[in-house]
Amino acid sequence: QKEVEQNSGPLSVPEGAIASLNCTYSDRVSQSFFWYRQYSGKSPELIMSIYSNGDKEDGRFTAQLNKASQYVSLLIRDSQPSDSATYLCAVSNTNAGKSTFGDGTTLTVKP
Amino acid sequence: DAGVIQSPRHEVTEMGQEVTLRCKPISGHDYLFWYRQTMMRGLELLIYFNNNVPIDDSGMPEDRFSAKMPNASFSTLKIQPSEPRDSAVYFCASREDLNTGELFFGEGSRLTVL
Repeated sequence: QKEVEQNSGPLSVPEGAIASLNCTYSDRVSQSFFWYRQYSGKSPELIMSIYSNGDKEDGRFTAQLNKASQYVSLLIRDSQPSDSATYLCAVSNTNAGKSTFGDGTTLTVKP
Repeated sequence: DAGVIQSPRHEVTEMGQEVTLRCKPISGHDYLFWYRQTMMRGLELLIYFNNNVPIDDSGMPEDRFSAKMPNASFSTLKIQPSEPRDSAVYFCASREDLNTGELFFGEGSRLTVL
């Protein structure tokens, strides 16, 4: 079992729709959770971080964390073509210092 | 700050040659990470340093790979000898400290081994 697993994708949604990206992790001591966006040919960039159970909203993005289920998700509301990218889920055990990434889910938003 | 700086951006070499990738982290960041990204294996952590000291090199695939961080502003990842299966994008990333989780990535070094 991989440490961090994501929907295999690709995911395609129409412009204006809600895109839902999911991630599960295996290490129960994980404390920090991140979503990175990676455009084709570019490096990953952080878009959301979440540390406690519940929802965290930032503009059109909402991250949701459920530590009991070892599950973290990202919702993108009012999806735009510019949101088309690969979204990487990353999990960190703060004491260990390192972040482990999932394989990513490729999202395409169609105009 | 200019961000994490990597060089070269692109490297094409022949099997058996030595490859050296370089990274300058963001000033003041305590952690430096080397990742490798391929379509088949995704983004894999190779090694990371804390205050210039290697902490975890369990992701280094073989003895052909080595990494150093001689000072807080410079790190190298060396592959000797290189093989076609080493072809990938190699990312360097830095992190401020243990309390801030965000990784700042460089633009990556795309390596092609023929």
